[in-house]
Amino acid sequence: AQTVTQSQPEMSVQEAETVTLSCTYDTSESNYYLFWYKQPPSRQMILVIRQEAYKQQNATENRFSVNFQKAAKSFSLKISDSQLGDTAMYFCAFMKLGGNNNDMRFGAGTRLTVKP
Amino acid sequence: NAGVTQTPKFQVLKTGQSMTLQCAQDMNHNSMYWYRQDPGMGLRLIYYSASEGTTDKGEVPNGYNVSRLNKREFSLRLESAAPSQTSVYFCASTKGGADNQPQHFGDGTRLSIL
Repeated sequence: AQTVTQSQPEMSVQEAETVTLSCTYDTSESNYYLFWYKQPPSRQMILVIRQEAYKQQNATENRFSVNFQKAAKSFSLKISDSQLGDTAMYFCAFMKLGGNNNDMRFGAGTRLTVKP
Repeated sequence: NAGVTQTPKFQVLKTGQSMTLQCAQDMNHNSMYWYRQDPGMGLRLIYYSASEGTTDKGEVPNGYNVSRLNKREFSLRLESAAPSQTSVYFCASTKGGADNQPQHFGDGTRLSIL
């Protein structure tokens, strides 16, 4: 079974600074996706960024980028130029490729607070 | 676009009462999912439906039943609610199959069992 671990329950960062959220996972699969979801106080689950395991290049979406280390099974999220609207819970998630079951395994989340 | 719609948004039940949470998606997705979210535990899969006409247990199915009514709708039923089922419930959908895509989530249902 796949497990996802987020070791930082809470983090804070000053507005305009950079913060990195950690995620590690355990799997015997070789092909899979990794995701970061954002959950603001509105409770919506919003996809921030995703990474296909077969791609060596780290994914980037505007101010969000990942550091994907497949051998170490690590998938950290870097947020640059932090904004107040980035305040939210962030969940790391794993999904294996192929098959009928596309369910995700989620980490416990990191609560990020951006301070003015 | 509505995406994934869950009803109700909030509900309070007494222990032993029954309740059905509704979920509908308008993206022509094949696969649908029910998760529960508890503090400090992220989201855990209760049941999923890989395609219309099929349902399977997830990580925490006990105390729940599901119905995939048609391609659009996937409901979650609590037959006899227990305080341990107090949680936030999320429905999600994805195209499914070999073309794996991220799941789209509804806004959640906050359920309290007294």
